Amino acid sequence: LAKTTQPISMDSYEGQEVNITCSHNNIATNDYITWYQQFPSQGPRFIIQGYKTKVTNEVASLFIPADRKSSTLSLPRVSLSDTAVYYCLVGDIEFVNDYKLSFGAGTTVTVRA
Amino acid sequence: DVKVTQSSRYLVKRTGEKVFLECVQDMDHENMFWYRQDPGLGLRLIYFSYDVKMKEKGDIPEGYSVSREKKERFSLILESASTNQTSMYLCASGGRTVSRKFFGPGTRLTVL
Repeated sequence: LAKTTQPISMDSYEGQEVNITCSHNNIATNDYITWYQQFPSQGPRFIIQGYKTKVTNEVASLFIPADRKSSTLSLPRVSLSDTAVYYCLVGDIEFVNDYKLSFGAGTTVTVRA
Repeated sequence: DVKVTQSSRYLVKRTGEKVFLECVQDMDHENMFWYRQDPGLGLRLIYFSYDVKMKEKGDIPEGYSVSREKKERFSLILESASTNQTSMYLCASGGRTVSRKFFGPGTRLTVL
């Protein structure tokens, strides 16, 4: 299982773009990169997943360089409600191999007014 | 809309009691999980089930057991609760492929 490293915390202000970079130097060929968001007193929520280049949805964008050794989650124009913990996970696309994916400590993003 | 529900949001039990935490999903998912979450330690996998009556140990199974008699329901059992099992317990479900999991709201268990 690929080990991931991401910052412990990040502070931002409303309306700014927040970029969280996750390092995964030993990512394997079959591994996908998945990000989850967790608000206080709630379970994590899937927000985006990608394999290479760029993926965008209504919540975020995920940028993955050609070597796939890192990835960046981009949250455009954050609001106070984006204050949460963000987890980066890297795992095999064949589910049976990734059930033990560790969520780690994640990145606590605090958005201020 | 997909849904994972957990039997209680808050639970207070005494040391030595047998505790049942129940999780139900309505997405016909094959795979279900139990995690515990503690400050500074992230989410740690307790048990995993990939089919009815099938289970596998996660990273911290000691002191816990599980039951999956029906596809939609996955129960976590604390045979004899101890104070070090005070934690937030999160259930999740997922399909056969890729790593997308759906989580329940969590149960905050306090063992006195």
